Amino acid sequence: DIQMTQSPSTLSASVGDRVTITCRAGQSISGWLAWYQQKPGKAPKLLIYKASSLQSGVPSRFSGSGSGTEFTLTISSLQPDDFTTYYCQQYNSSPWTFGQGTKVEIK
Amino acid sequence: QLQLQESGPGLVKPSETLFLTCTVSGGSISSSRYFWAWIRQPPGKGLEWIGSISYTGATYYNSSLKSRVTISVDTPKNQISLQLTSVTAADTAVYYCARREVSAFWYFDLWGRGTLITVSS
Repeated sequence: DIQMTQSPSTLSASVGDRVTITCRAGQSISGWLAWYQQKPGKAPKLLIYKASSLQSGVPSRFSGSGSGTEFTLTISSLQPDDFTTYYCQQYNSSPWTFGQGTKVEIK
Repeated sequence: QLQLQESGPGLVKPSETLFLTCTVSGGSISSSRYFWAWIRQPPGKGLEWIGSISYTGATYYNSSLKSRVTISVDTPKNQISLQLTSVTAADTAVYYCARREVSAFWYFDLWGRGTLITVSS
């Protein structure tokens, strides 16, 4: 199985900040990576697929980059609605695996 | 707008078999556009893909659970089912069903709200 490691586990930031979350794969996954946002008690919401493609309806302040083993999710200007948890997921090879999550909290 | 709704017993005893259903509304589960998946999340932990089923009925399982899992579809009821045998406390989790578009590889663009399953005597 491909292990996905996110860092940091928790990130403290303020409204308006630019934040970056990193996801590292245990082996190369080319660009087969998705990012999800999950609010407490809710289902995950797809933000980014194929490492950098923005899902329809997702605000443009979200962006993704990377290839191979290192990927980033960037929020260009944090909004109040963005303080929640984010997960990466690789879909290069089965079983499809997720990172452990990064919680973005208010500083 | 297609929607997914999971349902289950809430509480299951250790060693028993868990049965969950996911009802799809606003579209047909037999559409050739979609695969369907079950994904779970233990309390306070990350996400784990359990398995998926295609519109042809082909199934794909996580090797860590393969010996205990069966995913099937009930086309007349527009439902996807999950059967997990010999459950233990480690199977306590929120169980989600999710959709994958055939054209979109193996990420999941639509999820249900999930159902919490607790394994306890």
